[in-house]
Amino acid sequence: AQKITQTQPGMFVQEKEAVTLDCTYDTSDPSYGLFWYKQPSSGEMIFLIYQGSYDQQNATEGRYSLNFQKARKSANLVISASQLGDSAMYFCAMREGGGYGQNFVFGPGTRLSVLP
Amino acid sequence: NAGVTQTPKFQVLKTGQSMTLQCAQDMNHEYMSWYRQDPGMGLRLIHYSVGAGITDQGEVPNGYNVSRSTTEDFPLRLLSAAPSQTSVYFCASSIGGFGYNEQFFGPGTRLTVL
Repeated sequence: AQKITQTQPGMFVQEKEAVTLDCTYDTSDPSYGLFWYKQPSSGEMIFLIYQGSYDQQNATEGRYSLNFQKARKSANLVISASQLGDSAMYFCAMREGGGYGQNFVFGPGTRLSVLP
Repeated sequence: NAGVTQTPKFQVLKTGQSMTLQCAQDMNHEYMSWYRQDPGMGLRLIHYSVGAGITDQGEVPNGYNVSRSTTEDFPLRLLSAAPSQTSVYFCASSIGGFGYNEQFFGPGTRLTVL
């Protein structure tokens, strides 16, 4: 079974508008972390934001925020005021467990295109 | 700090050839891992290491070997290359341990097996 699901293969958004990229996850471990990465066309992986399973508040980093709904196992990325440079692939990832040797599992990604 | 470095950036192999992808980090991270990225499939974990001398298999380990003799280096060996191993390979490192631990990625190696 897929541990990370990203149901939107591609998304379009108008410049300066907000966009939500969906991510649902599957785990029975009470301790886990959720990450979002951006991969521009140049290929590098850029860390955006992190949410721990015990964090009480939704994570925010500048224009990025994570809408964490634990009961629904959902960790959607919200980008406010989209910019042309936001056009990229976005990956949701999960790290299970609280100790060493824990693997990251990535979703298939969502390609975001920001329109001028 | 150079972060996570990978060599080579590009490589073309013939079926059956062997080669080693190099990965090094200068952040004294204990946790290092190798991923492959295929179109439409995101990143899949090949092997990982939680410290020098300790390695384990990830989701797709077949056809690959790793070793970790130092904290800094984590090479990935292709024993007998196959066209199915054509992919982009990423090495990553993190501090390990509980809680927030961002993975830092190298720039990737694009491998083509003919």
